[in-house]
Amino acid sequence: AQSVTQLGSHVSVSEGALVLLRCNYSSSVPPYLFWYVQYPNQGLQLLLKYTTGATLVKGINGFEAEFKKSETSFHLTKPSAHMSDAAEYFCAVMNSGYSTLTFGKGTMLLVSP
Amino acid sequence: SQTIHQWPATLVQPVGSPLSLECTVEGTSNPNLYWYRQAAGRGLQLLFYSVGIGQISSEVPQNLSASRPQDRQFILSSKKLLLSDSGFYLCAWTHGREVEGYTFGSGTRLTVV
Repeated sequence: AQSVTQLGSHVSVSEGALVLLRCNYSSSVPPYLFWYVQYPNQGLQLLLKYTTGATLVKGINGFEAEFKKSETSFHLTKPSAHMSDAAEYFCAVMNSGYSTLTFGKGTMLLVSP
Repeated sequence: SQTIHQWPATLVQPVGSPLSLECTVEGTSNPNLYWYRQAAGRGLQLLFYSVGIGQISSEVPQNLSASRPQDRQFILSSKKLLLSDSGFYLCAWTHGREVEGYTFGSGTRLTVV
């Protein structure tokens, strides 16, 4: 079965600094990978996804992620953090069959002025 | 355009009382539907999913059940709530015909007291 590990339950950055949120996956088949963002007491919003093709994927709000098969990783980055980026971020891998997603435990991004 | 509605937004229920959470999708037909629970520090746990009317798959044995009485309606229920049922419940949908991210509802915050 597929699984996802997000390193670091909390990541703190200063406004304008690089954001790096780590995600490693385990999958016996070529994975489909996703990043979601959640603001307090709201549902999850899709940031970006990797299915096939280009390994560098661009998403909304200036985020991007790179699929590295050799490292089984799908880290999320943003060159310059903004205060509005403060939220919880979830990495997910799609399971075979009926399109269920397995989520990591999430990383809370804190942005300080 | 498609929209997903989830209600109520918040709910406080005593232990032993019944539960009914409703989720409906508009603007599409035959969606795949999902119920997730989010507990602090534990990420998102898939509870149930459905690929059609009357078709329910349970991922985790527990005190909850799900039903899909209509194509675009998904209901989460319990006959007797436990304290451990407290959490943030999220409904989501996808077409299931292609790899795509889920679209999530805004969630229900359930507190069992």
